[in-house]
Amino acid sequence: KAGVTQTPRYLIKTRGQQVTLSCSPISGHRSVSWYQQTPGQGLQFLFEYFSETQRNKGNFPGRFSGRQFSNSRSEMNVSTLELGDSALYLCATRPGQGETQYFGPGTRLLVL
Amino acid sequence: GENVEQHPSTLSVQEGDSAVIKCTYSDSASNYFPWYKQELGKRPQLIIDIRSNVGEKKDQRIAVTLNKTAKHFSLHITETQPEDSAVYFCAASRPRSNDYKLSFGAGTTVTVRA
Repeated sequence: KAGVTQTPRYLIKTRGQQVTLSCSPISGHRSVSWYQQTPGQGLQFLFEYFSETQRNKGNFPGRFSGRQFSNSRSEMNVSTLELGDSALYLCATRPGQGETQYFGPGTRLLVL
Repeated sequence: GENVEQHPSTLSVQEGDSAVIKCTYSDSASNYFPWYKQELGKRPQLIIDIRSNVGEKKDQRIAVTLNKTAKHFSLHITETQPEDSAVYFCAASRPRSNDYKLSFGAGTTVTVRA
C-alpha cells in the first residue's frame, strides 16, 4: 500500500494570508488526525476526522479548521496567518478503531 | 486532558551501550502507548507500542515496559548503533474512545557516539 502523502511539502506565506494543506491517507484508513510540530511546543494535536466528521479537537484557535472528503482525504486550513504558525504540519491516519497511527511526511510552513 | 512527561530531553551514549527513556502519563484511562522515532527532516515512525494489558514488549534491540499502577512506561534500546541517533517521542492515547488523540511527550534527542 502507498503511504500517507501530504501536499505541498513546503510553503512560504506572509502574515494575514491563508493556507490549505492536504493529506491523503493510506488506502482503507478512514481516520485522519492533524498535528502541529514546533521546536518549542513539540507535537500538538489539532483535530481528528472520521467519516467526514470532526471527532475531536485540540486547543487551537478557530483560525485552524479542517474537513474530510468522502474518499477520506483531508484538508486543513489556517486563516489570517501569524508568525507563530510557522511549523511542520503532520497528518496521521489509521483504519478507524485501530490504534496505530501512520504519519505523512509533513508540510513545512514558513510565515514571514 | 492527558499530560505526558518525558525524560531526559537529551541523551548521549557510547555505541554499544544501552539507552533508556522514561515517560509518565496522567490519565488513568489511557491504554495505548506508542513510541515514535523521528530522524532529522523525516516523519515520525512507529518503532514499538504497548497496550495496557501487557507489561513488557520486545522487538530485537528495542523493548518497552509499562507500569500502569505508577502510570509510567519506558523505552530501552540495547547495543546502540549510530543509526539509532534520532529524536524519540513517547505518546499515550485511548484509541477506542471518541476522544482519540495522541498526547506526546516533549521528545528525547538521542546521540550515539561512535
